[in-house]
Amino acid sequence: QVQLRESGPGLVRPSETLSLTCTVSHYSIDSGYYWGWIRHSPGRGLQWIGSIYSSGSTYYNPSLKRRVTVSLDTSKNQFSLKLTSVTATDSAVYYCARQGSPISMEGKIDPWGQGALVAVSS
Amino acid sequence: SYELTQPPSVSVSPGQTATITCSGDGLPRKYVHWYQKKSGQAPVLVLYEDSKRPSGIPERFSGSRSGTMATLTIDGAQADDEADYFCYSTDRSGGGLFGGGTRLTVL
Repeated sequence: QVQLRESGPGLVRPSETLSLTCTVSHYSIDSGYYWGWIRHSPGRGLQWIGSIYSSGSTYYNPSLKRRVTVSLDTSKNQFSLKLTSVTATDSAVYYCARQGSPISMEGKIDPWGQGALVAVSS
Repeated sequence: SYELTQPPSVSVSPGQTATITCSGDGLPRKYVHWYQKKSGQAPVLVLYEDSKRPSGIPERFSGSRSGTMATLTIDGAQADDEADYFCYSTDRSGGGLFGGGTRLTVL
């Protein structure tokens, strides 16, 4: 059964870069599927951030596209999120997840990681 | 821009039927998936491709999609079903999109 786990700093200073890594177990991320990031905050609900295919092609939420980069490290079976110039509104629980089907991003998001709480504060 | 619209809240008594809707102009061409979100927990997929239940999801959860609206129905809602529910689909470019969420209260 595929498992995902997020890791990274829980506190980021305003204007700096948020960096998170997702480690995938029991599935090789270069074998297909899209791998994505989603965040949740009480006031804003769930927000899809972006995804990367096993080949390296990416899709980003237009509202975050200028600040987001999602990348792969197949040697470690990991993928990562970088979000630049953060503000307090970027404080949220960040989830990594598998998305879509082996060849398409369209489809359910499942499974999910347990989530990583990130606070943006000075 | 394309949006998915959900009612902010739905309330039912235990044993009653809860209905949560999700509307969007793109839904005639796209599947909808539904997630249950409880505080402090990761979202749980309760329905995918409009009406399919993942393993372990009770039969009281069902779904449908017609035109620009999708519906999640919980027949005989229980206290444990109290949570936020989010619909999810993809836009024309394939990007992901969540509805604003519906708080289901069972009391």
